[in-house]
Amino acid sequence: DGGITQSPKYLFRKEGQNVTLSCEQNLNHDAMYWYRQDPGQGLRLIYYSQIVNDFQKGDIAEGYSVSREKKESFPLTVTSAQKNPTAFYLCASQQESETSGANVLTFGAGSRLTVL
Amino acid sequence: AQKVTQAQTEISVVEKEDVTLDCVYETRDTTYYLFWYKQPPSGELVFLIRRNSFDEQNEISGRYSWNFQKSTSSFNFTITASQVVDSAVYFCALSEAERGGYQKVTFGTGTKLQVIP
Repeated sequence: DGGITQSPKYLFRKEGQNVTLSCEQNLNHDAMYWYRQDPGQGLRLIYYSQIVNDFQKGDIAEGYSVSREKKESFPLTVTSAQKNPTAFYLCASQQESETSGANVLTFGAGSRLTVL
Repeated sequence: AQKVTQAQTEISVVEKEDVTLDCVYETRDTTYYLFWYKQPPSGELVFLIRRNSFDEQNEISGRYSWNFQKSTSSFNFTITASQVVDSAVYFCALSEAERGGYQKVTFGTGTKLQVIP
């Protein structure tokens, strides 16, 4: 079945450590996104990528980094520079179409990061 | 700037009751899309419906129905005869096209629905 796989589902980190969250899709989608979800704040965009080897900052990119070396993969690194990294992280993908703005996002099951 | 407001943070209903989730949006664009997503306890957001700004017809899908009114910038979601399986967080979202084809999506803060058996 096609979909998005995020791992790990739960992750604990000590302060000062970098962690990388994995996101893999087999939907052959061009665009991929990382969102952060906090209680009462909805989803906020961290980074997005429309094609391989290219990505752009979203609304809250500080303290995060990404790469897009393969179409299927879009890992997110939460660095020690992120002041409040405890959150639920969601990866999504989207197939490009001629009708810009109309595309449905397909989401992974998320990764919950807790900083101890 | 685009904005989506879901004023209801949490709603509790008894099973079989009808419930309406409100969504109000702001945008300067004339062409845009509105979405509803469901997030069950498992965490994965699931797409429910998409509406474009030129189509104000209401839609019904089983127990779900959506009321899109441009005059009030609202896109409300009604669940008829609610069931325990409807318990989830529901997100309303607004999408506009940006330069370069990037699709900017703004999500509301979500409404947590609890259906009590």
